[in-house]
Amino acid sequence: SQKIEQNSEALNIQEGKTATLTCNYTNYSPAYLQWYRQDPGRGPVFLLLIRENEKEKRKERLKVTFDTTLKQSLFHITASQPADSATYLCALDRGTSYGKLTFGQGTILTVHP
Amino acid sequence: GAGVSQTPSNKVTEKGKYVELRCDPISGHTALYWYRQSLGQGPEFLIYFQGTGAADDSGLPNDRFFAVRPEGSVSTLKIQRTERGDSAVYLCASSRSGTGGDEQFFGPGTRLTVL
Repeated sequence: SQKIEQNSEALNIQEGKTATLTCNYTNYSPAYLQWYRQDPGRGPVFLLLIRENEKEKRKERLKVTFDTTLKQSLFHITASQPADSATYLCALDRGTSYGKLTFGQGTILTVHP
Repeated sequence: GAGVSQTPSNKVTEKGKYVELRCDPISGHTALYWYRQSLGQGPEFLIYFQGTGAADDSGLPNDRFFAVRPEGSVSTLKIQRTERGDSAVYLCASSRSGTGGDEQFFGPGTRLTVL
C-alpha cells in the first residue's frame, strides 16, 4: 500500500524566511498531489493541487514542486508570517474516478515573529 | 455560501453505546467522503458516496461502522458497540463531482470520545 512521509513533525522558522516542507511517497506515483492547511480544531483547507505531469505550481506566496523520479513534493511558503503557523498536510490522489485521498501525517509549522 | 457542517461538534459516550454523526455537505456537491483523524495523524479515508450510493467503503474498519446518504445530501455515520479505540475526530468532506483532482471541502469534524 502507499506510504507517505512528511519530513518532520514540526518545523520552526523566523518570520520573513521561506518555509520548505517535504512530502515523500513510496510505490505508485499519484495522478494528483494536493496540499492542505489545518488549524487546531478545524478541518483541512485546500491550498494547491499539482498534476503528475506538472513540475511546479504557484499561488501567491505558495509554491509546490512535484518530482515523480524522486517520489517527492516540496511545498514552499515565501516571506512567511506568524499567521502561516498551522499543520500542513500533503494528500495523494491515485487518479481513480472519485478522488480518494491518502494523507501524510502532517508537519506543524510555527513562524516566530 | 455555507460550508460543510457537522453535528455534534463533540460527542462523549460510554463503551458499548451506539452513536450517530451527521454531515451536511455543500449544496449541489454530489461527492461525500468520511475520514477519521487520530491525534498527530493525517485524515484516514473511511467511505465515499457518489449521490446516494456508497461507491467505496473499503476504509471502514469493521462491521460496527456504517454510513448512509439516503437522499444524496446529508450523510450519517453510525457506529455500533463503540470501543475506546474509536475515539478520534471524524471529518466529513464534499466535492463538486468527485472526480480525480477535485478540491475537497472539509467540515470542522466531530470529536468522538469513548470512555
